[in-house]
Amino acid sequence: EPEVTQTPSHQVTQMGQEVILRCVPISNHLYFYWYRQILGQKVEFLVSFYNNEISEKSEIFDDQFSVERPDGSNFTLKIRSTKLEDSAMYFCASSLLDSEAFFGQGTRLTVV
Amino acid sequence: AQSVTQLGSHVSVSEGALVLLRCNYSSSVPPYLFWYVQYPNQGLQLLLKYTSAATLVKGINGFEAEFKKSETSFHLTKPSAHMSDAAEYFCAATIIQGAQKLVFGQGTRLTINP
Repeated sequence: EPEVTQTPSHQVTQMGQEVILRCVPISNHLYFYWYRQILGQKVEFLVSFYNNEISEKSEIFDDQFSVERPDGSNFTLKIRSTKLEDSAMYFCASSLLDSEAFFGQGTRLTVV
Repeated sequence: AQSVTQLGSHVSVSEGALVLLRCNYSSSVPPYLFWYVQYPNQGLQLLLKYTSAATLVKGINGFEAEFKKSETSFHLTKPSAHMSDAAEYFCAATIIQGAQKLVFGQGTRLTINP
């Protein structure tokens, strides 16, 4: 069964460093998303991506964040200069038009 | 603005007992509603979805949910709990079925007692 895969499963980084979280969406899907879940809090929408551009982003998704689909299969989330409050579980998801989103298993980011 | 509220961050039932996880939404237009389950160290897996067809929706693993517009609710039920149902359950909503900006509830951790 097709699935969304995310790497790495856990990343530890120092404050101020850049991190790139990687995702391989389901191959025929058209929409791609990033969500995050800070420990003990709700899963929050960050950004959606369609047709090689951001279609919507939340207020969380500030200039420190960027997304890219560099090669037609990967979908990445970059955090330019990590802060302690960026520590969270980051989920990638993908969907077809008019279908539910399929989520990856998440990347736990720990900023120290 | 949309919001989703799950009543009870932790629910504990005995094996074989009824499971009831509560979800209420607020939305200016009828939303699309979803229940996702997260097993330990795994991603979010779709249990079921409501997309304005039948109000009683059946999902995987014996779960079902009923959309009640008058109560703005979408509670998740299962007649008989199994030990393997222990997980975190998330209710989510969106008003756009295409590009889905899902709004999640805070999650309910379900514990099954032997």
